[in-house]
Amino acid sequence: GIQVEQSPPDLILQEGANSTLRCNFSDSVNNLQWFHQNPWGQLINLFYIPSGTKQNGRLSATTVATERYSLLYISSSQTTDSGVYFCAVLPSDAGGTSYGKLTFGQGTILTVHP
Amino acid sequence: DTGVSQNPRHKITKRGQNVTFRCDPISEHNRLYWYRQTLGQGPEFLTYFQNEAQLEKSRLLSDRFSAERPKGSFSTLEIQRTEQGDSAMYLCASSQPGAGPYTEAFFGQGTRLTVV
Repeated sequence: GIQVEQSPPDLILQEGANSTLRCNFSDSVNNLQWFHQNPWGQLINLFYIPSGTKQNGRLSATTVATERYSLLYISSSQTTDSGVYFCAVLPSDAGGTSYGKLTFGQGTILTVHP
Repeated sequence: DTGVSQNPRHKITKRGQNVTFRCDPISEHNRLYWYRQTLGQGPEFLTYFQNEAQLEKSRLLSDRFSAERPKGSFSTLEIQRTEQGDSAMYLCASSQPGAGPYTEAFFGQGTRLTVV
């Protein structure tokens, strides 16, 4: 099956710093999502971005599908950005019965200190 | 619409007991998914429904696990004869009917199961 690798595994920042999180995947994908998991465990949707670039406030994401990676940029980080960031993908060869089968990376644990 | 809703939020049970979790998807989302997440890991796929049809089940879903979506709306996940290894966060997600795989999944708050 498809492999998803996220880096770095851990990241510690001071408030106000910028950061880049990376997601590499081993095969072509039809679907890629970035999530933030809050301390209570809920996965919050950040971006649905199978290709291209999107921005939402201090966050932006870029997926280069042909090179099989995606980047999540966080600018001017805040303590509320702390948590685990996951990338999840759906392979291009997924048939109709597998449309729900997202494969997640191991996550990047982000800690932002005041 | 308040998003995907899961109940209960927390469940502590003794080994060997049966437990059932409920998921209410976002209205008009015909696709529903269950995932399991253990400590320090990313979520892992368990099963996928389109309307009331269960289209795919992971090998993680042993015979002790069963999921239903009888009317194509809410879904239940039952674990029989729970084991300590079943302790995990159980996550439900839903997405709109769309053009093939190109739909965004939205997750609920999860049900945290502890088997003692």
